[in-house]
Amino acid sequence: EAGVAQSPRYKIIEKRQSVAFWCNPISGHATLYWYQQILGQGPKLLIQFQNNGVVDDSQLPKDRFSAERLKGVDSTLKIQPAKLEDSAVYLCASSLVGGRGADTQYFGPGTRLTVL
Amino acid sequence: GQNIDQPTEMTATEGAIVQINCTYQTSGFNGLFWYQQHAGEAPTFLSYNVLDGLEEKGRFSSFLSRSKGYSYLLLKELQMKDSASYLCAVRYSGAGSYQLTFGKGTKLSVIP
Repeated sequence: EAGVAQSPRYKIIEKRQSVAFWCNPISGHATLYWYQQILGQGPKLLIQFQNNGVVDDSQLPKDRFSAERLKGVDSTLKIQPAKLEDSAVYLCASSLVGGRGADTQYFGPGTRLTVL
Repeated sequence: GQNIDQPTEMTATEGAIVQINCTYQTSGFNGLFWYQQHAGEAPTFLSYNVLDGLEEKGRFSSFLSRSKGYSYLLLKELQMKDSASYLCAVRYSGAGSYQLTFGKGTKLSVIP
């Protein structure tokens, strides 16, 4: 079974530029998550989708971050404009049934973003 | 916020046993997960606890006490490849969603 796919793996941009990340979850997984992991810290949830609807985006900085999952499968996360403090690894995860019971989140390899 | 506390770093010897503790706020608790994360890689699932007691899976075991807001991950017969960060994550329920909150991770170094 294929895992969660993400691209690109690495991205270097200058502050105030825009960037987009792509995620393809495990086939059949209804729930998709985007996390931000700053060096030395645990992942922090940015947004959670159930199919193509947003379940939780309370920690997403909406003035500069946006995300979509139009057809309930792939998702993109965009930052515009980027700030220095956005330098982090952006992890995408997916799970089968939206986090209930023993539902487990499976993570992709992440995109390491460096903002100069 | 829902603070999750775990030690920042630990060092243990190959072949030994190590216990990594995690404490969390109990309000809204809906399950606890442990993940392993090697440097530069994605977290991978290790264990899940929702009821009190010990869950054993090979060399790894995880314990939960819901009343105390406490869990630990026990690693036996340590191998060099166990050197990694171990993340404690608590699922909280509320407002119709289930959200995982991660601790900062415990960096484990296994030495010969």
